[in-house]
Amino acid sequence: DAGVIQSPRHEVTEMGQEVTLRCKPISGHDYLFWYRQTMMRGLELLIYFNNNVPIDDSGMPEDRFSAKMPNASFSTLKIQPSEPRDSAVYFCASTRQGRGYGYTFGSGTRLTVV
Amino acid sequence: AQSVTQLDSHVSVSEGTPVLLRCNYSSSYSPSLFWYVQHPNKGLQLLLKYTSAATLVKGINGFEAEFKKSETSFHLTKPSAHMSDAAEYFCVVSDRGSFGNEKLTFGTGTRLTIIP
Repeated sequence: DAGVIQSPRHEVTEMGQEVTLRCKPISGHDYLFWYRQTMMRGLELLIYFNNNVPIDDSGMPEDRFSAKMPNASFSTLKIQPSEPRDSAVYFCASTRQGRGYGYTFGSGTRLTVV
Repeated sequence: AQSVTQLDSHVSVSEGTPVLLRCNYSSSYSPSLFWYVQHPNKGLQLLLKYTSAATLVKGINGFEAEFKKSETSFHLTKPSAHMSDAAEYFCVVSDRGSFGNEKLTFGTGTRLTIIP
């Protein structure tokens, strides 16, 4: 298994532009999570899906952020318009139903908004 | 509600000496506990996990952790540190969420530095 795949690895964009981050979870995993990591705030859960349905988006910072999961093998996190304070590493993780499996994380997307 | 406290934000040890990274948790239910490691500019990798079986859990790269319910602790140890162990370590607690799966709560991390 190739693990959780995220793209791009690095993204540099100008303030005001739209940014789309992509994630392919592990096949057979029915939960998908988006996290954001910064020095100041550590790891923050933004949103998670179960069977492609958003379950909890209370961590999404504001309406500029949106996430979709059109099928079991693909999810996107979109920021529109982007701002410098959105600069962070964004991680996608997946897991399966049941106790104690833990999450498998992707390698992350390092976003820099200038 | 669940929470996890990593007692040290930074730990430095000499190569070849023991490693101890401390973690205390709070959980309303019988928790699952994990340690993740993050090397610089990398994603998070599962090091080991406790899920109510043996209280002493062995993980990858020689690490192990002991679940102590009376002390609500899950400290991570390794007998002899290697240079490659330098990384950020996260203690994670999980409760069974309302939807039946487990929602993870991450500690703030402990940065481990290995002195040559």
